[in-house]
Amino acid sequence: RKEVEQDPGPFNVPEGATVAFNCTYSNSASQSFFWYRQDCRKEPKLLMSVYSSGNEDGRFTAQLNRASQYISLLIRDSKLSDSATYLCVVNKRYNNDMRFGAGTRLTVKP
Amino acid sequence: ETGVTQSPTHLIKTRGQQVTLRCSSQSGHNTVSWYQQALGQGPQFIFQYYREEENGRGNFPPRFSGLQFPNYSSELNVNALELDDSVLYLCASSRSTGPGELFFGEGSRLTVL
Repeated sequence: RKEVEQDPGPFNVPEGATVAFNCTYSNSASQSFFWYRQDCRKEPKLLMSVYSSGNEDGRFTAQLNRASQYISLLIRDSKLSDSATYLCVVNKRYNNDMRFGAGTRLTVKP
Repeated sequence: ETGVTQSPTHLIKTRGQQVTLRCSSQSGHNTVSWYQQALGQGPQFIFQYYREEENGRGNFPPRFSGLQFPNYSSELNVNALELDDSVLYLCASSRSTGPGELFFGEGSRLTVL
């Protein structure tokens, strides 16, 4: 089993749609969780951290379920500029040994 | 722009050769991590350097080695290159060794023939 597994993509949605990505992780000792965004042929960049109580940043909402070892990302009112690959990231130990999922590709169409 | 720079951006080597990739960390960052990213996959953790010492390593063989210098810049060395080493190598710097935001460079794309 992979350490971090994500929904297989691609997701193709119209502008304005709401889309949700799921991610599961295998290491119950993981402490920190993140969503990164990677544009085509670019480096990954932090989208948001994921906190136990859930957190929201504008149109983006992240949720964590420790019992189920599950993380989600919800994007509301999708924009063309949201088209990218979204990477679920979990730390393996209490350091920056971050384990990335394979990513879920999102394409938002006019 | 993250302030993390990598060189070279592209290079071609032949099987069995050795390669050195370089990374300059963002100002104020003392920790550098190296990742390997194959097409269609997420980055895979190679190792992390802090205070010029390796501070954690992923599932990579010893022919992958690194260095960190007093100015926090870093090198990734790969010996005995194999065809499967033909991927993107990403360097990420961070403010500390603890979990937190990673700032990635644009990567070095290696092709092994």
